[in-house]
Amino acid sequence: GNSVTQMEGPVTLSEEAFLTINCTYTATGYPSLFWYVQYPGEGLQLLLKATKADDKGSNKGFEATYRKETTSFHLEKGSVQVSDSAVYFCALTSNNAGNMLTFGGGTRLMVKP
Amino acid sequence: EAGVVQSPRYKIIEKKQPVAFWCNPISGHNTLYWYLQNLGQGPELLIRYENEEAVDDSQLPKDRFSAERLKGVDSTLKIQPAELGDSAVYLCASSLRGGSTDTQYFGPGTRLTVL
Repeated sequence: GNSVTQMEGPVTLSEEAFLTINCTYTATGYPSLFWYVQYPGEGLQLLLKATKADDKGSNKGFEATYRKETTSFHLEKGSVQVSDSAVYFCALTSNNAGNMLTFGGGTRLMVKP
Repeated sequence: EAGVVQSPRYKIIEKKQPVAFWCNPISGHNTLYWYLQNLGQGPELLIRYENEEAVDDSQLPKDRFSAERLKGVDSTLKIQPAELGDSAVYLCASSLRGGSTDTQYFGPGTRLTVL
């Protein structure tokens, strides 16, 4: 079956630091990959996505590249802000699994001023 | 454009009581999902609807959970009777067609506490 593994948190960074949150996956078929973000007290929001190998998703300064050879979709941002503090979820869908989202366990990011 | 609406946002009940959650998807979205999110974990699918048809309910504990989407729009998820282990956040999501590349849009969730 499909699965997603992401680095455990919390990740604590100072403002303007570089961020990487690792995500690797196992999937049958041709998965699409997503990063969702959950701010405190709010629902899940799509941050970015990539639907085929070598695609790069980007939004709000975050980016992630779909690497089929390493089955990875690592999230990066060059300079984090306090407002980026949230829980980040890596997820995938695939036609072979009824198009349901399979999520990783989430990584909490805390950015200090 | 209005997002996915869920109610109530919070619910506290005693064990063995029934509870129901309501979801209104984004207008025009054919596919509706219910997910369960336990504390500190990622959401897990309970059931998926294409219009009014439940096309994937393999993860739904059918002895106590039920769901319906009668007119292919709003949906209700019910638990009867609730158990302590049902305490979690219940998330509703919708997408335009349900394809693997389609974005799923999530509501704010209903946080259930069973005492």
